[in-house]
Amino acid sequence: QLQLQESGPGLVKPSETLSLTCTVSGGSISSNSYYWGWIRQPPGKGLEWIGSIYYTGSRNHNPSLKSRVTTSVDTSKNQFSLKLSSVTAAETAVYYCARLFWGNSGSGAFDMWGQGTMVTVSS
Amino acid sequence: QSALTQPASVSGSPGQSITISCTGTSSDVGGYNYVSWYQQYPGKAPKLMIYEVSNRPSGVSNRFSGSKSGNTASLTISGLQAEDEADYYCNSYTKSSTWVFGGGTKLTVL
Repeated sequence: QLQLQESGPGLVKPSETLSLTCTVSGGSISSNSYYWGWIRQPPGKGLEWIGSIYYTGSRNHNPSLKSRVTTSVDTSKNQFSLKLSSVTAAETAVYYCARLFWGNSGSGAFDMWGQGTMVTVSS
Repeated sequence: QSALTQPASVSGSPGQSITISCTGTSSDVGGYNYVSWYQQYPGKAPKLMIYEVSNRPSGVSNRFSGSKSGNTASLTISGLQAEDEADYYCNSYTKSSTWVFGGGTKLTVL
C-alpha cells in the first residue's frame, strides 16, 4: 500500500525558507503514471495547489508563488521536496504532499495524500 | 489564478439529496474533463471522491456522483447520511498546465 509522509521543521521564521520533504513508500516515485504534488491549507481555510513534479524533474508551480517555489525529486531516496522562500505569517498552514495520477492518460486527480504537516511561520 | 467558486455551505436532512456546485471558466472547468472532488474531515487529509467529472474510485459509495455543464461542475450526494458531514473541495486542471481548487463547501447534515 502506497504511503506518503511529509517531514520538515514545524516552525520557520518570517523571510526565511520553508523546506519540506515527502517520502514515498510502498511504490516507486519513478512511475510513468504519476506526478507528485504539494498542497497547503491555512487554518480554517481552503486548499491551495502549490506545485507538481514528475520523476524526470518536469514541474509546474502555482503562478502566484512561482518565483518563490522550488520543487525537486530524488529518485534514489524515493523522495520529493518543496522549498518556499521569503515566507510570511500568512503562509502558516498544513502542508500536504500527494500523488497526482497524470502520466499515461491519467485521471488528473490527487489520489493519495500524506497526513499533512503543520508549518508555523513566526519569529 | 483564481480559486473555483463553491458555495460556502450547504445542508440537508438524512435521506435527502444535495448538490454542491463548482464554477470556473472555459480555461479550467469548462475546458477539460479533469475535474475532481475531495471530502475532508476536520484534522484529516482530503480523500478523492470523484475524478474526471463523474468517475468514482473503488470503494467510494455510489451515493456520490458528479457531472458538468459548461463552466460548472457539480457533486451530488444522494441518501444523505450523518457520516457525509464534511468539507468538500473541487479541483480542475487549467490551460496553464496548473491545478486550481475551489474554496470549499461545508456540508451539514441536519
